[in-house]
Amino acid sequence: AQRVTQPEKLLSVFKGAPVELKCNYSYSGSPELFWYVQYSRQRLQLLLRHISRESIKGFTADLNKGETSFHLKKPFAQEEDSAMYYCALASGGSYIPTFGRGTSLIVHP
Amino acid sequence: NAGVMQNPRHLVRRRGQEARLRCSPMKGHSHVYWYRQLPEEGLKFMVYLQKENIIDESGMPKERFSAEFPKEGPSILRIQQVVRGDSAAYFCASSPPGHHEQYFGPGTRLTVT
Repeated sequence: AQRVTQPEKLLSVFKGAPVELKCNYSYSGSPELFWYVQYSRQRLQLLLRHISRESIKGFTADLNKGETSFHLKKPFAQEEDSAMYYCALASGGSYIPTFGRGTSLIVHP
Repeated sequence: NAGVMQNPRHLVRRRGQEARLRCSPMKGHSHVYWYRQLPEEGLKFMVYLQKENIIDESGMPKERFSAEFPKEGPSILRIQQVVRGDSAAYFCASSPPGHHEQYFGPGTRLTVT
């Protein structure tokens, strides 16, 4: 069974501080991992996916198969980054992604 | 290409009434998913549909809830005899064939009074 764990329900930082939102997964095969973001009262939107190896809005995430992690990082947080972040895992055999429970990021001025 | 559309955005129902939530996927997307989001909780998968087929409804309560995705028209999530505990935001997402990334609608916020 596949599982996604986001251990922090809430992460609070000050503007300009580095931020790391943790995501650990369990899956025996080759997963496809995503980060989704939900700003206040808006729809969820795809932030980035590991296969693209891209940086979006200053965020990056590297898949670490040894540690089964896909942590989301940004070196300098901005107030507009305050949102709910969801890590999600998809596997080749299933079109139903598994979402973590989400981490609420609050960036203080 | 319009995004995933959901309507209504807000729905108020009294206990015992029926709630119908609609979702129009993005053009070219044949996979539709429904999720429920409760306050202080994450997304809970409910059901996965393709045109005229329910592929997986393992996350849907056995009673009162049903979903369909007809050949023509939007996908419908139907909740019969609503109770206060059904109050939540219901999100629909769609994806194109062969892809895992999902595109979400704005959600329907259901309030049961």
